[in-house]
Amino acid sequence: AQRVTQPEKLLSVFKGAPVELKCNYSYSGSPELFWYVQYSRQRLQLLLRHISRESIKGFTADLNKGETSFHLKKPFAQEEDSAMYYCALRGTGRRALTFGSGTRLQVQP
Amino acid sequence: NAGVTQTPKFRVLKTGQSMTLLCAQDMNHEYMYWYRQDPGMGLRLIHYSVGEGTTAKGEVPDGYNVSRLKKQNFLLGLESAAPSQTSVYFCASSTRGTGRTEAFFGQGTRLTVV
Repeated sequence: AQRVTQPEKLLSVFKGAPVELKCNYSYSGSPELFWYVQYSRQRLQLLLRHISRESIKGFTADLNKGETSFHLKKPFAQEEDSAMYYCALRGTGRRALTFGSGTRLQVQP
Repeated sequence: NAGVTQTPKFRVLKTGQSMTLLCAQDMNHEYMYWYRQDPGMGLRLIHYSVGEGTTAKGEVPDGYNVSRLKKQNFLLGLESAAPSQTSVYFCASSTRGTGRTEAFFGQGTRLTVV
């Protein structure tokens, strides 16, 4: 079975502070990991995926297979980063994503 | 380019009523999915389809049925609605394969069963 755990329901930081949204997963094979974001009144959209090793809107995430983690980080939070963030996993050969419960990020001015 | 469109956006049902949610995508994607989003539980997969005429159960399929008669449409049906089915429903689609494929989501349907 595959599972994604996001331990924080809410993360509140001040503008300019560093951000780390935690994501841990359980899966016996080699997973694909993703971060999706849902801004207020907008649809869920892909933020980044581990396979691309990209930085989007200043966010990065590194897959740590030893710790089975895929934490999302940003060195300096902006107010426009306030949103709901979901970590997601797709197992080998599977077609659907398994989502975590989500973390709401609030960036205060 | 509309992407993934869900109809309706909002609906209130009485317990025992039936309804169908429509998902339409114009990206020629093979895969389509229905998720439900509940507070504190993230998105849970209800049913999915890997192509026209095929459907499969997800994590929480009970109380729902689906059909994929046309490649671009994926219908989610509630035969006898229950208050436990009050949720926000999201449809998504993606291309075949893994790796760099991305799931595109609809805007969601907020369903309340009273």
